[in-house]
Amino acid sequence: SQTIHQWPATLVQPVGSPLSLECTVEGTSNPNLYWYRQAAGRGLQLLFYSVGIGQISSEVPQNLSASRPQDRQFILSSKKLLLSDSGFYLCAWSGGQGGNQPQHFGDGTRLSIL
Amino acid sequence: AQTVTQSQPEMSVQEAETVTLSCTYDTSESDYYLFWYKQPPSRQMILVIRQEAYKQQNATENRFSVNFQKAAKSFSLKISDSQLGDAAMYFCAYRSSDFNKFYFGSGTKLNVKP
Repeated sequence: SQTIHQWPATLVQPVGSPLSLECTVEGTSNPNLYWYRQAAGRGLQLLFYSVGIGQISSEVPQNLSASRPQDRQFILSSKKLLLSDSGFYLCAWSGGQGGNQPQHFGDGTRLSIL
Repeated sequence: AQTVTQSQPEMSVQEAETVTLSCTYDTSESDYYLFWYKQPPSRQMILVIRQEAYKQQNATENRFSVNFQKAAKSFSLKISDSQLGDAAMYFCAYRSSDFNKFYFGSGTKLNVKP
């Protein structure tokens, strides 16, 4: 069966520090991968998605970036965090074939910027 | 771009009663897929139900069913025999025909009263 791992679960970082959040998927190949941010009590904002290794689509201009160095690995990064980067980050995957395939989400990372 | 609207930020229902959560969407596509996700306080995103736009029959999963009105671009979720464990944020989502992007509504917080 397919599983998705996202870490860390919680992260506290000072303003201006770098960031690296990692997400890996097991049990499937060539998944579509996604990074979302969710502010408290709000909906999901799509940040990046990827349909293959090295292919990244950015949805919202910001100081974050994403990379997909391997088929089932998706990394969210920043060189210098801002206070506004605080939030709950969710990684997700979906099958690339068949539109009725839902997204499957990781457990999320709660990021606090001090 | 497609938009998904959930006009009810918060709703309440008495245990064992029925509640309907609304969702409308805007699209020019004829082929697409719709989903409802549940996010309990643990913040894990859980798939509740899915609907293919080409199917006229409304999807049903145990106590959960949808009322899909394609012409009206409406996709409401009905929860029957509400249980305390149904208390959560509910998100409506649209998957575009190119299969890659999902669009989420802003969510409805459902409270279940004992």
